[in-house]
Amino acid sequence: TQLLEQSPQFLSIQEGENLTVYCNSSSVFSSLQWYRQEPGEGPVLLVTVVTGGEVKKLKRLTFQFGDARKDSSLHITAAQPGDTGLYLCASLSGSARQLTFGSGTQLTVLP
Amino acid sequence: DTAVSQTPKYLVTQMGNDKSIKCEQNLGHDTMYWYKQDSKKFLKIMFSYNNKELIINETVPNRFSPKSPDKAHLNLHINSLELGDSAVYFCASSQLGNTIYFGEGSWLTVV
Repeated sequence: TQLLEQSPQFLSIQEGENLTVYCNSSSVFSSLQWYRQEPGEGPVLLVTVVTGGEVKKLKRLTFQFGDARKDSSLHITAAQPGDTGLYLCASLSGSARQLTFGSGTQLTVLP
Repeated sequence: DTAVSQTPKYLVTQMGNDKSIKCEQNLGHDTMYWYKQDSKKFLKIMFSYNNKELIINETVPNRFSPKSPDKAHLNLHINSLELGDSAVYFCASSQLGNTIYFGEGSWLTVV
């Protein structure tokens, strides 16, 4: 099982600030996914990165896959209270293509 | 229309009881999953069914028994509930290898 470590575990910032969260592993991934989970809801897929060095943008969110495909980052520009949630990275593996999740980063954006 | 729906959303029960959580997906997917999220928000795969056949059974006590009457349903039955079973249980579905969609979760509290 590939172990995914996320940092920081908790992050509380003011509206308008920028932030970066990280997902790291000692294993190489064929792909990596980022999810956001809001209170009382299930995780929702934000993006999948596949190629080493790949950068994907989703409005104010920028996702990067490390060159060696062992790590990934999520950068949020000008954070808003609506960005509050649990951010999870995950890798797909196994016969059922099941997700192995990281430890998560709980983000709180204060108005 | 809710793509992946699970019931009940909240369940409080006493130790030793037997309970079931039901899950239905209307996406026409061939694969369904049960994940468990603990108090630290860590999400872990429990079971996966593909076309009604069990393909993943992680290290889960045999008090937990999944049942898939058809491709659109995957129910989770738990016998002799213990305090440590308290968690949020997420049902999910996918067309194998593609995006996984999660339900809203079932909050189980064992007292």
